[in-house]
Amino acid sequence: GAGVSQSPSNKVTEKGKDVELRCDPISGHTALYWYRQRLGQGLEFLIYFQGNSAPDKSGLPSDRFSAERTGESVSTLTIQRTQQEDSAVYLCASSPGTGPSFYGYTFGSGTRLTVV
Amino acid sequence: GQQLNQSPQSMFIQEGEDVSMNCTSSSIFNTWLWYKQDPGEGPVLLIALYKAGELTSNGRLTAQFGITRKDSFLNISASIPSDVGIYFCAGQGRSGNTPLVFGKGTRLSVIA
Repeated sequence: GAGVSQSPSNKVTEKGKDVELRCDPISGHTALYWYRQRLGQGLEFLIYFQGNSAPDKSGLPSDRFSAERTGESVSTLTIQRTQQEDSAVYLCASSPGTGPSFYGYTFGSGTRLTVV
Repeated sequence: GQQLNQSPQSMFIQEGEDVSMNCTSSSIFNTWLWYKQDPGEGPVLLIALYKAGELTSNGRLTAQFGITRKDSFLNISASIPSDVGIYFCAGQGRSGNTPLVFGKGTRLSVIA
């Protein structure tokens, strides 16, 4: 597609439930990133996929968080047993390569997750 | 891990005024970028800087990559109401494989 597409745009879930967030990157972009943005805060790196390489999971805050990506297409971020502190906007971004040298990252509009 | 200190946290300015914000880091970055985020949207790239000392303009925006590679600033001249939003600096370290590190943002409000 023309841009990075994320769904759902908003998600309200009960504490303890699992949620899946989806990201559809720009076609041809080999790199895909997930960031978390808490209210009034900056962007916190979660996980990064580059082609067929093993993902960089160094930013995942706990083992309740996991992500998958099929080839160079769609990615899903899964949060198990959600907690109230998981409430945030989850942003996905993609880029043509491993660095931002030419285009930077293109971000989606995010999924606003509210855990009640 | 690497952290960026961005200041100021927020600014209230009159339309037509110039704005300046900056980012500093304790470690070296090879690339500095500035993004703007509108409400309900993801950040959008404004300016990218690749060389120490580089000064780059994009319309009313001017950004510089500090000589030490540990800082960057963004200036907005003659602000207009649509400049309202949150501005983030971002840096990438030596390895092109490392994800961007973001500052906490500067929230800009423009009073007409």
